[in-house]
Amino acid sequence: DTAVSQTPKYLVTQMGNDKSIKCEQNLGHDTMYWYKQDSKKFLKIMFSYNNKELIINETVPNRFSPKSPDKAHLNLHINSLELGDSAVYFCASSSWGNTIYFGEGSWLTVV
Amino acid sequence: AQSVTQLDSQVPVFEEAPVELRCNYSSSVSVYLFWYVQYPNQGLQLLLKYLSGSTLVKGINGFEAEFNKSQTSFHLRKPSVHISDTAEYFCAVSDGGSNYKLTFGKGTLLTVNP
Repeated sequence: DTAVSQTPKYLVTQMGNDKSIKCEQNLGHDTMYWYKQDSKKFLKIMFSYNNKELIINETVPNRFSPKSPDKAHLNLHINSLELGDSAVYFCASSSWGNTIYFGEGSWLTVV
Repeated sequence: AQSVTQLDSQVPVFEEAPVELRCNYSSSVSVYLFWYVQYPNQGLQLLLKYLSGSTLVKGINGFEAEFNKSQTSFHLRKPSVHISDTAEYFCAVSDGGSNYKLTFGKGTLLTVNP
């Protein structure tokens, strides 16, 4: 059983499109995150939700909108995709104050 | 604000040789420290973590790390590497007690050659 699962794993789309990446965790954690890994492999947090409440929003363009329908899910919607959005997006989860566990990543390529 | 410096972007070694991947951090508060590994085209897997207690931490796959508060370091070591250890290794830090955000280093690519 995958603890943190995200779909799709690979996504190729054209500039200007809108796309979503879904994430689910079955660990019973109360905190979920989205991290972005750029082409140089640098990892940076984008968003964090605790009990469905947004607690971290790091200088991310408004085109990115996270949505947490419940504690086990955190989806990422991206509007008007740009070439620079090409990256690997990692979903993660943790219990508050504990180790963060990552999903397998979603490879987004904007052409 | 916290930051993490991984001093080596690439470390090539031969199989069965020992390896040390260096990590230094800066923080104004007490910290939790982590090492994650990323195999090619895969996600991040936790190798080991330091939260408190013994400064020598043992992790999976034979890796260990030592927390050195005076030198603000958390270097990762393995006495004998295998080709399967070839991967990107990331050091990360979070505020002690507020582990809702990890700050990562830029990663070290460990390449194990036969």
